[in-house]
Amino acid sequence: SQQGEEDPQALSIQEGENATMNCSYKTSINNLQWYRQNSGRGLVHLILIRSNEREKHSGRLRVTLDTSKKSSSLLITASRAADTASYFCATTRGFSGGYNKLIFGAGTRLAVHP
Amino acid sequence: DVKVTQSSRYLVKRTGEKVFLECVQDMDHENMFWYRQDPGLGLRLIYFSYDVKMKEKGDIPEGYSVSREKKERFSLILESASTNQTSMYLCASSPRTGGGNQPQHFGDGTRLSIL
Repeated sequence: SQQGEEDPQALSIQEGENATMNCSYKTSINNLQWYRQNSGRGLVHLILIRSNEREKHSGRLRVTLDTSKKSSSLLITASRAADTASYFCATTRGFSGGYNKLIFGAGTRLAVHP
Repeated sequence: DVKVTQSSRYLVKRTGEKVFLECVQDMDHENMFWYRQDPGLGLRLIYFSYDVKMKEKGDIPEGYSVSREKKERFSLILESASTNQTSMYLCASSPRTGGGNQPQHFGDGTRLSIL
């Protein structure tokens, strides 16, 4: 079953603009991760935010987490054409035995036009 | 740099065939995963393994089996391929250390078509 649901499903912007993607989830989490997928390729991990964190930065990426609303957002500032990709949030469903099972949303397709 | 390698980028098989998808990681990770990715559904976990010869069912294991004879290799097996198994298959790995706070590293995927 899907835990994270991204919004919007698709986003089209111009280079230099900021892109904001949202993720909502249903049950309590240990952490939330964002991944990026270029067309026809595998997923690449972008950033992880723990349940006791509210905000995290990595380069042009800013992630926020609101556990009271069960939601997270990913902001990409000063977007570039190379940021064109699908972006997925994933939540960790519990933890046992030393492994993390992730539940992915359906993703947001971001298109950045030159 | 970390690397997860899937044996084929594209694969075409016929209904009823036994299909093997191979995945190798060079990071000495304990955990390995198989997902399938379909439009609008995101990634769904088929099976995962947290050690050699160990496996656990994910959310959609029906019609699939797995094998992990060596730490670096995790194979997905479609026992009798059906057209509804046409999909993109992604393999991933992660270390056991750090508990549930480790990212997963993905291969580039195998796009499988069952005719």
